Amino acid sequence: DAKTTQPPSMDCAEGRAANLPCNHSTISGNEYVYWYRQIHSQGPQYIIHGLKNNETNEMASLIITEDRKSSTLILPHATLRDTAVYYCIVRPPRSIQGAQKLVFGQGTRLTINP
Amino acid sequence: ETGVTQSPTHLIKTRGQQVTLRCSSQSGHNTVSWYQQALGQGPQFIFQYYREEENGRGNFPPRFSGLQFPNYSSELNVNALELDDSALYLCASSPKGADTQYFGPGTRLTVL
Repeated sequence: DAKTTQPPSMDCAEGRAANLPCNHSTISGNEYVYWYRQIHSQGPQYIIHGLKNNETNEMASLIITEDRKSSTLILPHATLRDTAVYYCIVRPPRSIQGAQKLVFGQGTRLTINP
Repeated sequence: ETGVTQSPTHLIKTRGQQVTLRCSSQSGHNTVSWYQQALGQGPQFIFQYYREEENGRGNFPPRFSGLQFPNYSSELNVNALELDDSALYLCASSPKGADTQYFGPGTRLTVL
């Protein structure tokens, strides 16, 4: 499983864009980048995922560099409710035999300040 | 998308006892995974079930076992509880033909 590296903590002002970086320099060509977040004592919440192209949904945008060795999750207008631990995860596609497990690191603790 | 439920929400057991945790995923979710999250750590993969059979296991001993039922519900059983088993246990399910896992709220297990 490709390893990811994230800063342990970040702060962002409410209403501003929160940009969370992730390094995954050993990612393979068919591995996806997934982002989850976990608000205190709750189950992880799926945010977004991508392979090569940038992706956007109602929650966030995912920017993947051309060499795929890093990515950035963007929360365009952060609110206090976005305070959480954000996990960047690299995983193979379903076609690979075996369990489709998620390997969580320590994540980034994002604090949104009023 | 969510709809994964887990029961109970909290549980207290003593060392040596056995525990069964339950998970109910949405209709059409044919893959279920279980994770253990110790305090201050990220979730760790325990095992996954696909079409009622174990489809892979993480680095957990055999006293951790599971079941998946035709109605999309699942159980995690832990025998001979140890103090280090105290954790948040998370269930996640995936829709047919999709990779994304959707997590339930978890069960907080405390072993005294």
